[in-house]
Amino acid sequence: SQTIHQWPATLVQPVGSPLSLECTVEGTSNPNLYWYRQAAGRGLQLLFYSVGIGQISSEVPQNLSASRPQDRQFILSSKKLLLSDSGFYLCAWSFGTSGESDTQYFGPGTRLTVL
Amino acid sequence: AQTVTQSQPEMSVQEAETVTLSCTYDTSESDYYLFWYKQPPSRQMILVIRQEAYKQQNATENRFSVNFQKAAKSFSLKISDSQLGDAAMYFCAYRSASTSGTYKYIFGTGTRLKV
Repeated sequence: SQTIHQWPATLVQPVGSPLSLECTVEGTSNPNLYWYRQAAGRGLQLLFYSVGIGQISSEVPQNLSASRPQDRQFILSSKKLLLSDSGFYLCAWSFGTSGESDTQYFGPGTRLTVL
Repeated sequence: AQTVTQSQPEMSVQEAETVTLSCTYDTSESDYYLFWYKQPPSRQMILVIRQEAYKQQNATENRFSVNFQKAAKSFSLKISDSQLGDAAMYFCAYRSASTSGTYKYIFGTGTRLKV
């Protein structure tokens, strides 16, 4: 079976500091990977998605970036955090080329607070 | 552009009773997928049920079932025999079946269910 991990679970960072959130998937190969942000009391907003190593698509222009250095690893980064970057960040995966690739499975999330 | 609307910010139900959560969507596409996700206090998004638009039969997963009305663009979730563990935020989501590759989910703003 497949599992998805995210860390850290909670993070408090000062404005202007860098950010690195990590997501890894086990039990499948060549998954599609996604980063979402959920602001307090709101739905989910897709930030980035990736269909393969080094292939990143951005949905929302901002000071965040994503990278996929390995098949099952997805990293969300920022060089300088803004107050507006605070939120709950969720990583998700779906089957790439087989199975129910339309269905996304979510990780436990990272709560980011920028002070 | 597609939109998803959940008009009930909050709903309450007594244990063992039935509750229906509403979701409407707007799209010009004929083939797509619809989902209900549950987000408990832990905040991890859990897939509840999935519906393929080309299937007329309503999806069912144990106590959870949907009423999919394609012409009306309505996708409601019925929870039968409600349990304390059903208390959570419920999100409706839409995904195009297009292979053009955006893989994008459109989420509603959620309905908080109290049991």
